[in-house]
Amino acid sequence: DVKVTQSSRYLVKRTGEKVFLECVQDMDHENMFWYRQDPGLGLRLIYFSYDVKMKEKGDIPEGYSVSREKKERFSLILESASTNQTSMYLCASSSSGRGQYFGPGTRLTVT
Amino acid sequence: GNSVTQMEGPVTLSEEAFLTINCTYTATGYPSLFWYVQYPGEGLQLLLKATKADDKGSNKGFEATYRKETTSFHLEKGSVQVSDSAVYFCALSGVYQKVTFGTGTKLQVIP
Repeated sequence: DVKVTQSSRYLVKRTGEKVFLECVQDMDHENMFWYRQDPGLGLRLIYFSYDVKMKEKGDIPEGYSVSREKKERFSLILESASTNQTSMYLCASSSSGRGQYFGPGTRLTVT
Repeated sequence: GNSVTQMEGPVTLSEEAFLTINCTYTATGYPSLFWYVQYPGEGLQLLLKATKADDKGSNKGFEATYRKETTSFHLEKGSVQVSDSAVYFCALSGVYQKVTFGTGTKLQVIP
């Protein structure tokens, strides 16, 4: 079975802190994704990567950056956390045509 | 661009009732179509998929048929259980396996 793990299930940070969210997949997938999920807005794509060291902006990249130094790991970085970044963050990975596989999510609260 | 429209929830059904959740899409080319399910406090799980017109995806008693002529991918189940209570997302895939999600439909099944 594909396994996608995220570094934390719950995280509380203060405004202005730099925040790192880590995602690791164990199925050698080329593609990895970061989403945020908010009530009434569904899933919105922040960034994705189709290869090591490659990244593409999604629909809402402002305030975020990403890093993919190894194929299995995709990190989301909040350079200076703000309260409007309080959300559920979901990581996913995929390979050709098989659909995306999601991690359990990280619920981030910025106070 | 690509888009997915699914019926608003919540949908409340009695146990053993028939379920339909409507989904229509707009896309260029021939996307793959998916249904995902999200149980409370968890990430999304791939429920079923269809990769070409007239394909039927099925899993755990759920079915959906890829209808190109009506650009639809409605989710059905003949007899729902309380354990099916969750949020269901319709989705389609595009370039680099980038997925466009609907906003989700919450299903509540009461005993």
